[in-house]
Amino acid sequence: QVQLVESGGGVVQPGKSLRLSCAASGFTFSTYTMYWVRQAPGTGLEWVALISYDGSNKYYADSVKGRFTISRDNSKNTLYLQMNSLRGEDTAVYYCARRGGGNYNDAFDIWGQGTLVTVSS
Amino acid sequence: QSVLTQPPSVSGAPGQRVTISCTGSSSNIGAGFDVNWYQQLPGKAPKLLIYANINRPSGVPDRFSASKSGTSASLAISGLQAEDEADYYCQSYDSSLSVLYVFGTATKVTVL
Repeated sequence: QVQLVESGGGVVQPGKSLRLSCAASGFTFSTYTMYWVRQAPGTGLEWVALISYDGSNKYYADSVKGRFTISRDNSKNTLYLQMNSLRGEDTAVYYCARRGGGNYNDAFDIWGQGTLVTVSS
Repeated sequence: QSVLTQPPSVSGAPGQRVTISCTGSSSNIGAGFDVNWYQQLPGKAPKLLIYANINRPSGVPDRFSASKSGTSASLAISGLQAEDEADYYCQSYDSSLSVLYVFGTATKVTVL
């Protein structure tokens, strides 16, 4: 079935780096725009980044611009989020999500289960 | 950084109808961008509930309906059931801010 599975979360010190992965299955990954969304503990959802189906276009929230990099490897059906210079306010569950496209337009139609990133000394 | 405002909570008895409002501005909902709604059960990932303002994905019960007018949108749950107890978020594209996509402030639905 259509599935997204995130991995790579953990506890990291402020200023350090971490790379998240999102493995896609059950659909043609290379034809879909993908997103990263995060949710700090006890708070709402925040869009983080977007990458087009072929990786040629990338967009970021100002809160992570210059520190985070979204990328993808369509040969491995995998989405990535490289997070550098991490701060306490980056502590959150990170979700990857698929842009539905077509009639779904910009809707985030498929979500992974999330991976927790904790930034703490 | 939410720019879509929702009530923090709504509640209702089983079988009742509840509505959740989502108020935006001229740079998002009012600009004609689609509104999508998500349901997040406790401890789970969000799930798409409504897309393109009024449409339900396959598998979503028709107890859930939505509408959009001007700079606002709303989600209605009819025949409220215990399993509907969750957080609900609206979401849209925004043309003016430091983010492309904005989510609402979340509404907790409690089934009494």
